[in-house]
Amino acid sequence: DAGVTQSPTHLIKTRGQQVTLRCSPKSGHDTVSWYQQALGQGPQFIFQYYEEEERQRGNFPDRFSGHQFPNYSSELNVNALLLGDSALYLCASSLAGTKTGELFFGEGSRLTVL
Amino acid sequence: SQQGEEDPQALSIQEGENATMNCSYKTSINNLQWYRQNSGRGLVHLILIRSNEREKHSGRLRVTLDTSKKSSSLLITASRAADTASYFCATDAYGANSKLTFGKGITLSVRP
Repeated sequence: DAGVTQSPTHLIKTRGQQVTLRCSPKSGHDTVSWYQQALGQGPQFIFQYYEEEERQRGNFPDRFSGHQFPNYSSELNVNALLLGDSALYLCASSLAGTKTGELFFGEGSRLTVL
Repeated sequence: SQQGEEDPQALSIQEGENATMNCSYKTSINNLQWYRQNSGRGLVHLILIRSNEREKHSGRLRVTLDTSKKSSSLLITASRAADTASYFCATDAYGANSKLTFGKGITLSVRP
């Protein structure tokens, strides 16, 4: 049973560049959420995708955008990168309609902005 | 913004001892969950407690919830070196599958 997979695992960008991170949810899951985790902090919710639409969004600027594909995989795009965007980006999947809120996380994509 | 505040921020114990970690939150919740994270990797779900539950057990884990005090505690009994990790509490306010709000985490070190 494949868990949540993310790519790339590490990447380095410079200020002003754009980045795309990818996520494949756990088999059978249809909902993907993205979180940003700065060093020494807890994860912060960016947004959630279900049925190819953004369903919920956290307090992140429009530079952060996403997409969900018909196979439930998802991308996170960040434009005009800032130094403060350096963080571990975590993708989590879940199944809509479940009575619990348990999330299954990938190992993350560590982004460094120079 | 962080909803949960865990304490202590760091905890160091000897293998075999019990570890108690606390979490406080600010707003009404639907569920409260605890997650573990090893060395900046992905988070692993440990246990979930609903707002109408007061205590729950899973293996060596015991979680309690006091909604009147807006607080929860996680007890790990008979700790092992492999329990060394960061632990986070997370709350959802709008029902299952809504966004989770995490605390800053507790770093637990278990000495062999």
